[in-house]
Amino acid sequence: GAGVSQSPSNKVTEKGKDVELRCDPISGHTALYWYRQSLGQGLEFLIYFQGNSAPDKSGLPSDRFSAERTGGSVSTLTIQRTQQEDSAVYLCASSSSPRQNTEAFFGQGTRLTVV
Amino acid sequence: AQSVTQPDIHITVSEGASLELRCNYSYGATPYLFWYVQSPGQGLQLLLKYFSGDTLVQGIKGFEAEFKRSQSSFNLRKPSVHWSDAAEYFCAVKGNKLVFGAGTILRVKS
Repeated sequence: GAGVSQSPSNKVTEKGKDVELRCDPISGHTALYWYRQSLGQGLEFLIYFQGNSAPDKSGLPSDRFSAERTGGSVSTLTIQRTQQEDSAVYLCASSSSPRQNTEAFFGQGTRLTVV
Repeated sequence: AQSVTQPDIHITVSEGASLELRCNYSYGATPYLFWYVQSPGQGLQLLLKYFSGDTLVQGIKGFEAEFKRSQSSFNLRKPSVHWSDAAEYFCAVKGNKLVFGAGTILRVKS
């Protein structure tokens, strides 16, 4: 596609339910990032996929959070047993290579509200 | 591990005044540095980036940034701010992954 696409754009869920957030990166981009943006907290790194390498999961806040990337393209971020503190905007970004001089392109985000 | 500090959470400037947003980074090797802007209701857009060479880099919308290795800084500047520049600005450093600062919210008063 022309840009990074995220779905849904908004999600309201009840506390304790599981949610799945989807990211379609730019075609051909090998690197994919997930970030969480909470009010006043900036962009918190969650996880980084690069090609077929093992993902860098160092930013996942708890074992309720997981992510996968199938076929080196689409990625799904799953949050199990959601809590109110999970409410935030979840942003996905992709870049064309792991080289440090490549910029990341961001999607519009999924706004998650846990009630 | 790399990290970024943006010491100013909010900044207010008058339209037409100059602007400087501060960014300090921590990274053990040559840093690759970025500034992104997020306008209300919009996604993040790249303003400019520094990889090597000239330490003063030009970006879009009249912004520039200067890399100072001795101060571990990459401050963003604009000579004359427009009301449309009101947004949140993020500095980022890329080492083995892309890490962002907490952001600075810019308000422009007329």
